[in-house]
Formats: sequence, C-alpha cells, structure tokens
Amino acid sequence: DAGITQSPRYKITETGRQVTLMCHQTWSHSYMFWYRQDLGHGLRLIYYSAAADITDKGEVPDGYVVSRSKTENFPLTLESATRSQTSVYFCASRLEYTDTQYFGPGTRLTVL
Amino acid sequence: GESVGLHLPTLSVQEGDNSIINCAYSNSASDYFIWYKQESGKGPQFIIDIRSNMDKRQGQRVTVLLNKTVKHLSLQIAATQPGDSAVYFCAENGDTGNQFYFGTGTSLTVIP
Repeated sequence: DAGITQSPRYKITETGRQVTLMCHQTWSHSYMFWYRQDLGHGLRLIYYSAAADITDKGEVPDGYVVSRSKTENFPLTLESATRSQTSVYFCASRLEYTDTQYFGPGTRLTVL
Repeated sequence: GESVGLHLPTLSVQEGDNSIINCAYSNSASDYFIWYKQESGKGPQFIIDIRSNMDKRQGQRVTVLLNKTVKHLSLQIAATQPGDSAVYFCAENGDTGNQFYFGTGTSLTVIP
C-alpha cells in the first residue's frame, strides 16, 4: 500500500540551480496537486493537474514548472532556485468527482 | 486568494477533556470544507469533511459544526488523547472547487 510518495524527502541546493521534486501515487487518482507550506501562510497551491497532460496554475506558480506525462507521476521543477523557495513541499491527489485530497509526506527544500 | 483563518494559533488541553478548534472562512461560495491533522514531519491527514447543506457531521470522536451565517466552522474532539497532539487545518474549496484554501493551522497540545 504505497499510496502517495515523494522524493527526495530532504534537499539542499544553491541559488540558481535547477531542482526537481518527484511525486508518485499508486491510486490512479486523476487529480494531483503541489503545495508549499510556510510558517504564517499555511498551505498554498502551486500547480495542479486534472489528468495526464493537463495542468493549471494555482495561487503561487511563479518560478515553478510542472509536467504530467503519466497519471501516476507529477514532478515539480524549480528551474532556477531562489532562497524564497525554501519551504516544505507537499504533493496531494484525489479521485475525479470527489473532493478529499490525500497528501504525501512532504519534501523539505532548503535553498542556500 | 481566500481568507481562511483560525481564531487561536495554539491550544492546550488536559487529556480526557474535549477540544474545540475554530476556523473562519471568507468565501460564501465555498460549499465544501475539510479538517486536516498534521503531525510533526508528516503530511496533512484527512479527519472529517462537511458540505454546506449540513450544519453538523460526526465521526469517531470528532464533530464538525458549520455556521454559514457567520462563515464559521469548528472541530470538536471528544476525550482528547495525547495522540491528538498536532496542528489542525481547516480548508475551503472556494469558487472553483479545484483549489482548496487552507488556514494557517492551530497547534493542539494534549497535557497528560
């Protein structure tokens, strides 16, 4: 029962580098989401995807790129990392026609 | 974005007592609300949800109350246990239904 997994769990990188955070779910959920969690802001939606090859911006998409070539994977790329992108990143998924999102364990990213 | 706030950032209760965590939301178009529990180092975990056509919903030891008139919901935890210690978030679905808006969270500490 893998559910939804994220990798890496911890990542330290430097300003200007490209970083990709991986998200994989085994439930065949159609919807997948990326959030960032910062103190004082709660969870904020970065991007979401309704199905393979369909993505849309959330509340804070600037500086991030997503793709979804397969239903089970939803990678998040920081093309040129900045210190303001230091955060904990959560991936989530849900079935179509339902509302409850299920979250992964998170990736703690530090940009130096 | 939406404004989902919590009245108290921290709450301490004695083991065995009942806990009440409050949440205010701003979008009257929201018709679905979720409470999540987040333990340290983990992703948010679904606790209970409620739709706007209901005022109350009960789960195992938890009850969610929704007051649409004042745009307020609360989470009641009966006979609080040490394992209930965590951060609790409320979330609303806003206008589109694809994006959820999360509060900043209330940290619940259960005193043995």
